[in-house]
Amino acid sequence: DIQMTQSPSSLSASVGDRVSITCRASQGISNNLAWFQQKPGKAPKSLIYAASSLQSGVPSKFSGSGSGTDFTLTISSLQPEDFATYYCQQYNSYPRTFGQGTRLEIK
Amino acid sequence: EVQLVESGGGLVQPGRSLRLSCTASGFTFGDYAMSWFRQAPGKGLEWVGVIRSKAHGATTEYAASVKGRFTISRDDSKSIAYLQMNSLKSEDTAVYYCTRDRGSYCYMDVWGKGTTVTVSS
Repeated sequence: DIQMTQSPSSLSASVGDRVSITCRASQGISNNLAWFQQKPGKAPKSLIYAASSLQSGVPSKFSGSGSGTDFTLTISSLQPEDFATYYCQQYNSYPRTFGQGTRLEIK
Repeated sequence: EVQLVESGGGLVQPGRSLRLSCTASGFTFGDYAMSWFRQAPGKGLEWVGVIRSKAHGATTEYAASVKGRFTISRDDSKSIAYLQMNSLKSEDTAVYYCTRDRGSYCYMDVWGKGTTVTVSS
């Protein structure tokens, strides 16, 4: 199975900040990487697929980059609604696997 | 509006069975693969399995933790995907989500709100 490692596991930031979350795959996955946002008690929301393509309706403040084994999610100009947990997931092969999540908190 | 609604969750004793449904609307259900995921209390997301579209043989893949116990099926005439869960264990306690998958590599774009399964005596 492909292991996905996210860092950091938690992150404190202020409204207006720009933050980045990294995700590393244990083997190459091309660009078959997705990012999800989850708020407490809610279903995940798809943000990015193919490492850098925004899902429909997702604001351009979210951006993704990377290929192979190293990927980054960047969120610019943080707003209160952006404070949530973020997960990366590889869909290059089965079983699909997720990073452990990054909890983004308000400083 | 594209929508997925899970149902069928509840409290069940260890060793018993439960069938979850994922009812789709707002899109041509038969054109898409459908996946199931779960999230145990306070834990991260876990992929459970997938069923491809009939155009791709309606074949299935499963996580090792559920293989042989869980079965995914689909009824395209009703726009419903099912997750049949047998021989349930306490560690199957989770919120279960279904997703619509797209693309040749099947990435998720739409999630349901989830249904809660609690396995306890």
